[in-house]
Amino acid sequence: AQSVTQLGSHVSVSEGALVLLRCNYSSSVPPYLFWYVQYPNQGLQLLLKYTTGATLVKGINGFEAEFKKSETSFHLTKPSAHMSDAAEYFCAVSDGRDNQFYFGTGTSLTVIP
Amino acid sequence: KAGVTQTPRYLIKTRGQQVTLSCSPISGHRSVSWYQQTPGQGLQFLFEYFSETQRNKGNFPGRFSGRQFSNSRSEMNVSTLELGDSALYLCASSSTGMGRHEQYFGPGTRLTVT
Repeated sequence: AQSVTQLGSHVSVSEGALVLLRCNYSSSVPPYLFWYVQYPNQGLQLLLKYTTGATLVKGINGFEAEFKKSETSFHLTKPSAHMSDAAEYFCAVSDGRDNQFYFGTGTSLTVIP
Repeated sequence: KAGVTQTPRYLIKTRGQQVTLSCSPISGHRSVSWYQQTPGQGLQFLFEYFSETQRNKGNFPGRFSGRQFSNSRSEMNVSTLELGDSALYLCASSSTGMGRHEQYFGPGTRLTVT
């Protein structure tokens, strides 16, 4: 079975500061990992994904995440926060054998000007 | 390509009524999944359809049902609505129906039950 834990339901950063959103997963098989972003009153948009290969994954809007198997983590980072990054972020895991995704509870990111 | 579309975007219903929500996936996508999103419970998986067959089902009561048509469009139905069914219902489509490929989400249907 798979599960995802997102540490910190609310994260605040200053504009220009590093963004770090934490995600730990549990999976009995090699996982497929995803980060999604949700802006108010909208659906989820894929930021990046890890399937196989390079463990450092680059996504849209300057975000990246690193798959660390030993730590069962897939933390999302961005070197410099913009006001437009304020949104809800969701980490998700899948085992790749079916289409059931397991989402974390989400982290709300606030960017302070 | 057009994205995932959901209709209607907003809906207000009364307790005890039933409701049908519609989802049109991205052209060529055969898998459609439904999720319920609420502030308290987050994103919860309802069910997934692939080529007109329900493949996975989450832990929701039988009042929640769905179906998929031959053109991959999907509908979900909620009967005997309860106040707790008020939520954002999200539909997502995927090309292969395998979890190694991302899901593309629609904008959602906001259901309010009064």
